[in-house]
Amino acid sequence: DTEVTQTPKHLVMGMTNKKSLKCEQHMGHRAMYWYKQKAKKPPELMFVYSYEKLSINESVPSRFSPECPNSSLLNLHLHALQPEDSALYLCASSRPGLNSNQPQHFGDGTRLSIL
Amino acid sequence: KQEVTQIPAALSVPEGENLVLNCSFTDSAIYNLQWFRQDPGKGLTSLLLIQSSQREQTSGRLNASLDKSSGRSTLYIAASQPGDSATYLCAVSDRGSTLGRLYFGRGTQLTVWP
Repeated sequence: DTEVTQTPKHLVMGMTNKKSLKCEQHMGHRAMYWYKQKAKKPPELMFVYSYEKLSINESVPSRFSPECPNSSLLNLHLHALQPEDSALYLCASSRPGLNSNQPQHFGDGTRLSIL
Repeated sequence: KQEVTQIPAALSVPEGENLVLNCSFTDSAIYNLQWFRQDPGKGLTSLLLIQSSQREQTSGRLNASLDKSSGRSTLYIAASQPGDSATYLCAVSDRGSTLGRLYFGRGTQLTVWP
């Protein structure tokens, strides 16, 4: 069982829909991450939150909107997605440290399919 | 920019063999290196983390080594089992980032057959 919980596990949506992906951890971690992973490719970093503040945005299109309402929760709001956005979306968390030597813990991901 | 390469891309072996998976990275200024396992359609499970000051870490049948100066790591799997079949990813935490940005390799897809 993973300590990072992602919901839903699977999501199918049309290009005009609005939906949200959720991520939750109760390990006291203050850094949380969203990654996108296409089939047979490594995960690609999308966003990093540190102490509930957005610290890194890897030039992700605005149809992806992250939100960190508190230290345990991370959301990814989706609107007007394209078929190429179909992928596995992974959430991770870690203790932020000056030396960034903390391991990242990943959830099981949300499999997103855009029709 | 840090680049991580994993060799081989795929490996198929009979049960019981000892295996070595390789990972190399271009910039030796790292905080740590992590090995992950990923089952099809699933998230990443952390197997081992080696800090930059360490040479190796062991967990059960797994042993990971790190040679930071040459930019190499190996994951050794002893007495492989069909349940070890998965994709193995290595990732480095680059010293250029203060927020634990990970750079991933493309993975080694391992199949262990009975």
